Amino acid sequence: AQSVSQHNHHVILSEAASLELGCNYSYGGTVNLFWYVQYPGQHLQLLLKYFSGDPLVKGIKGFEAEFIKSKFSFNLRKPSVQWSDTAEYFCAVHSSNTGKLIFGQGTTLQVKP
Amino acid sequence: GAGVSQSPSNKVTEKGKDVELRCDPISGHTALYWYRQSLGQGLEFLIYFQGNSAPDKSGLPSDRFSAERTGGSVSTLTIQRTQQEDSAVYLCASSLGASGTVYEQYFGPGTRLTVT
Repeated sequence: AQSVSQHNHHVILSEAASLELGCNYSYGGTVNLFWYVQYPGQHLQLLLKYFSGDPLVKGIKGFEAEFIKSKFSFNLRKPSVQWSDTAEYFCAVHSSNTGKLIFGQGTTLQVKP
Repeated sequence: GAGVSQSPSNKVTEKGKDVELRCDPISGHTALYWYRQSLGQGLEFLIYFQGNSAPDKSGLPSDRFSAERTGGSVSTLTIQRTQQEDSAVYLCASSLGASGTVYEQYFGPGTRLTVT
């Protein structure tokens, strides 16, 4: 069965620190990968996505993620976080066979000003 | 344009009662999804509808849960004989399509269900 694992459940950083959130998935077929973000009191919204092509994907607000097929990973990165990046981050994998989006457990990021 | 809307935003119910949660997807979106978000559990897939196809109910946790989508638009998630472990935020999402082609899912604000 497909699954998504996010290694960090709660991350606390100071402003300007670099961020990397881990995401690994288990699925042998073609996958499409997403990172969603949920800011406090707001809806889940798409941060970035990978369908094909360049494995380094750039999203909104300076975030990027790298798809490494051999490692079944899709880690999220940002060189310098801001207080406004405080949110919960979800990695998700979509199977075109089933149409389902499977989410990881989420990582809560707290950025201290 | 209007996004995905859900109602009610909050629902408190007594154990054993039935509840109905409503989702209005974005106009023109053929795929509709229900998820459950529990504290520390991430998002759990429940069910999805794609056009006129039979829904994928594989994520429903028990036969107390059911959902329907009328006219290919509005969807209702029903939980019968609610239990305390049903307490969670129920999220609805819609997209232009589902299987075969990948589209972004747009999420609603959720319904926070509390079973006392």
